[in-house]
Amino acid sequence: EADIYQTPRYLVIGTGKKITLECSQTMGHDKMYWYQQDPGMELHLIHYSYGVNSTEKGDLSSESTVSRIRTEHFPLTLESARPSHTSQYLCASSWDNYGYTFGSGTRLTVV
Amino acid sequence: KQEVTQIPAALSVPEGENLVLNCSFTDSAIYNLQWFRQDPGKGLTSLLLIQSSQREQTSGRLNASLDKSSGRSTLYIAASQPGDSATYLCAVLNDYKLSFGAGTTVTVRA
Repeated sequence: EADIYQTPRYLVIGTGKKITLECSQTMGHDKMYWYQQDPGMELHLIHYSYGVNSTEKGDLSSESTVSRIRTEHFPLTLESARPSHTSQYLCASSWDNYGYTFGSGTRLTVV
Repeated sequence: KQEVTQIPAALSVPEGENLVLNCSFTDSAIYNLQWFRQDPGKGLTSLLLIQSSQREQTSGRLNASLDKSSGRSTLYIAASQPGDSATYLCAVLNDYKLSFGAGTTVTVRA
């Protein structure tokens, strides 16, 4: 079964460090998304991409940045991590207006 | 802006009882509606996808209905089991972007 992969699964990092959360999909989906979810809270869209070299900010303001150089890869970067960035980050992909497929998420803790 | 509401926020039932989870949305111009399951600290697992032209979808013990004109969907889970304990999320797609409800947390007691 085609899948979407996120690494790392868990990350504990010190304040001020630069981090990159990886997301890759093998389904050839053109659209990819990053959602942020605090414990027990709703998912909020922070970034999306409709194709290579296309990235947009989502509904929730985020200090993170993304890139889409290859169809299958959509990494998210935080230049200087802060405790307020502690959250779960979920990557998803879709084709046209069909269903979304989500990865397992990265749980980030900034200390 | 699309707003998605899920009622109830939490539900606790004895094993074997049927579950009814409700979802409502404000903008009926949707492409599809998707129900997900989320276990604590995990990602989302897609349960059912209903296209805007469809009225319902079924998979095993799960059945989801969609009334686009009234902005409502209902997820039915028959003969609940302790393994069904999770948070269930409703999400609607507008312009390629998915908007989520806050979820219904279900506990099935053995």
